[in-house]
Amino acid sequence: AQKITQTQPGMFVQEKEAVTLDCTYDTSDQSYGLFWYKQPSSGEMIFLIYQGSYDEQNATEGRYSLNFQKARKSANLVISASQLGDSAMYFCAMTVYSSASKIIFGSGTRLSIRP
Amino acid sequence: GAVVSQHPSRVICKSGTSVKIECRSLDFQATTMFWYRQFPKQSLMLMATSNEGSKATYEQGVEKDKFLINHASLTLSTLTVTSAHPEDSSFYICSARDSLPPAGVGNTEAFFGQGTRLTVV
Repeated sequence: AQKITQTQPGMFVQEKEAVTLDCTYDTSDQSYGLFWYKQPSSGEMIFLIYQGSYDEQNATEGRYSLNFQKARKSANLVISASQLGDSAMYFCAMTVYSSASKIIFGSGTRLSIRP
Repeated sequence: GAVVSQHPSRVICKSGTSVKIECRSLDFQATTMFWYRQFPKQSLMLMATSNEGSKATYEQGVEKDKFLINHASLTLSTLTVTSAHPEDSSFYICSARDSLPPAGVGNTEAFFGQGTRLTVV
């Protein structure tokens, strides 16, 4: 069975600083994908970044990068130059391609950016 | 990107009544859609996988007779909360995936609806 763990319930960061949100996962499958989603107070789920298990390079999308360490089974999200609008819940998620591709989520990290 | 539309965004209903929530993929075909439930300040918990033309696959602990899922077409899945009670009050959100690529190929983003906040009084 797969599992996603986010150990930081909440984080406070000064505006313009970089922040790393931790995520570890567990699966015995070799073929899987990792996601990060942002959920503002409105409730919508905003896709940020994706990393496939066979991707050799870390994914990057603008200010977001995913620090993928396969041997450690970690997929930390790095947000560079944080902005006030980054304040939200952040969820790490995983899909296993042999398991109907359902996506399971970690418990989330509430990120608050201080001006 | 692809759009998933979920309706209604908010609904208040009386105890004992049933509520239907719709999830539509607007510009792609989704053979599989997923339904999640989220309690305040908690994570998204997968309730069931909705498969077009066949029965939904429910996660352990989810009552299939309570949460009826119908996936009648490639663009529409519905979740009906039957005989709703106050404890069913929650945020329900659906997601759909456009394709199932081979491992490591491309971005396999799942698109989410806007969510439905259900309040049972």
